[in-house]
Amino acid sequence: SQKIEQNSEALNIQEGKTATLTCNYTNYSPAYLQWYRQDPGRGPVFLLLIRENEKEKRKERLKVTFDTTLKQSLFHITASQPADSATYLCALDGSSSNTGKLIFGQGTTLQVKP
Amino acid sequence: DTAVSQTPKYLVTQMGNDKSIKCEQNLGHDTMYWYKQDSKKFLKIMFSYNNKELIINETVPNRFSPKSPDKAHLNLHINSLELGDSAVYFCASSRGTGSQNQPQHFGDGTRLSIL
Repeated sequence: SQKIEQNSEALNIQEGKTATLTCNYTNYSPAYLQWYRQDPGRGPVFLLLIRENEKEKRKERLKVTFDTTLKQSLFHITASQPADSATYLCALDGSSSNTGKLIFGQGTTLQVKP
Repeated sequence: DTAVSQTPKYLVTQMGNDKSIKCEQNLGHDTMYWYKQDSKKFLKIMFSYNNKELIINETVPNRFSPKSPDKAHLNLHINSLELGDSAVYFCASSRGTGSQNQPQHFGDGTRLSIL
């Protein structure tokens, strides 16, 4: 069956450290993968998109990797800050015709402690 | 200016009632979506419209009926509300039909509680 899983529901780290979140998928062949941030009581906010032919994508303190052999994406936040505390969602297009049918992982809630 | 706005933000109602949630986007996007986020925080797509045409219709009870009067609006009408309909409903929009290169912009959700 098709699945997209984020490795942990919660991740606690110390301010200044690098947070690494994992997204694994099964029985999908996505051409790209997206990462979103969701704060309590708010809608998800788009962060980064990475295509299958891109090994790595960066945006400020954020870095995403995409390994289509391992069927895995890693999301890194370097020099983490308490303001980075939120739930992070990975998503891929679950359709065979690029209809924008995003399938989301269950999310990892990151808590950065000062 | 709010890019994707939903009303109401909170909706508390009795089982069996009919209710509507409205969504508007001012981003000039062609595609709009409805998602349901349950108590376990899983976000699942329900419907998608592109230029007022239905393109995604997931396995959703036919008590749920989306309506798109124009490409800037996508409303969700729910008949005969049930306890299991309690969730947060998110509206989103994006450019074009495919999600490649096109992130989705979400509203802040409508929290529906069925008594």
